[in-house]
Amino acid sequence: GQNIDQPTEMTATEGAIVQINCTYQTSGFNGLFWYQQHAGEAPTFLSYNVLDGLEEKGRFSSFLSRSKGYSYLLLKELQMKDSASYLCAVRTEGSTLGRLYFGRGTQLTVWP
Amino acid sequence: GAVVSQHPSWVICKSGTSVKIECRSLDFQATTMFWYRQFPKQSLMLMATSNEGSKATYEQGVEKDKFLINHASLTLSTLTVTSAHPEDSSFYICSARTRKTYEQYFGPGTRLTVT
Repeated sequence: GQNIDQPTEMTATEGAIVQINCTYQTSGFNGLFWYQQHAGEAPTFLSYNVLDGLEEKGRFSSFLSRSKGYSYLLLKELQMKDSASYLCAVRTEGSTLGRLYFGRGTQLTVWP
Repeated sequence: GAVVSQHPSWVICKSGTSVKIECRSLDFQATTMFWYRQFPKQSLMLMATSNEGSKATYEQGVEKDKFLINHASLTLSTLTVTSAHPEDSSFYICSARTRKTYEQYFGPGTRLTVT
């Protein structure tokens, strides 16, 4: 089966930096996604990694190590609006349909 | 950017009735659409994958006769929850992708409450 693990909850202060980790054990690998989801809303795309290394996009960066089955999402200069659930998702190899397997999500609370 | 809509955004129905949820890609052609279910404080669970013009592929444990999926065109997929029961109450989210992109575009979700 597919196993994607991430912490359930994290808290941080406005203006700080937070790193959300994700580890995965899947039958094949064809890309890792990070999504942000506010309560009662659909997920919105944040980042995509398929090769090892760091992808930076504004205040958000995502890192991937395929050999370790590990990724993290780094959020800088935290704002109150960043309080949300962050979902790690893996697309497995060999799936032309692009099926994604999601972790349980990490609920981030940003305090003033 | 790519926009996916869902209708209705929320619905309340009585136990035993059927409910249809629509998922539309508004500005692109979706060769593949996905249906997810999300219970409170849990992650998205893939229910089924559908390609336009072909039968849906259901995940293990999802009853295909209870959750009917139709992907009749490149812009529309529907999920019908038949003979709904209170345990079917959940947040249903669709997503869509084209053949060219790695990204899935999510709809805003439909909150179903069965009384």
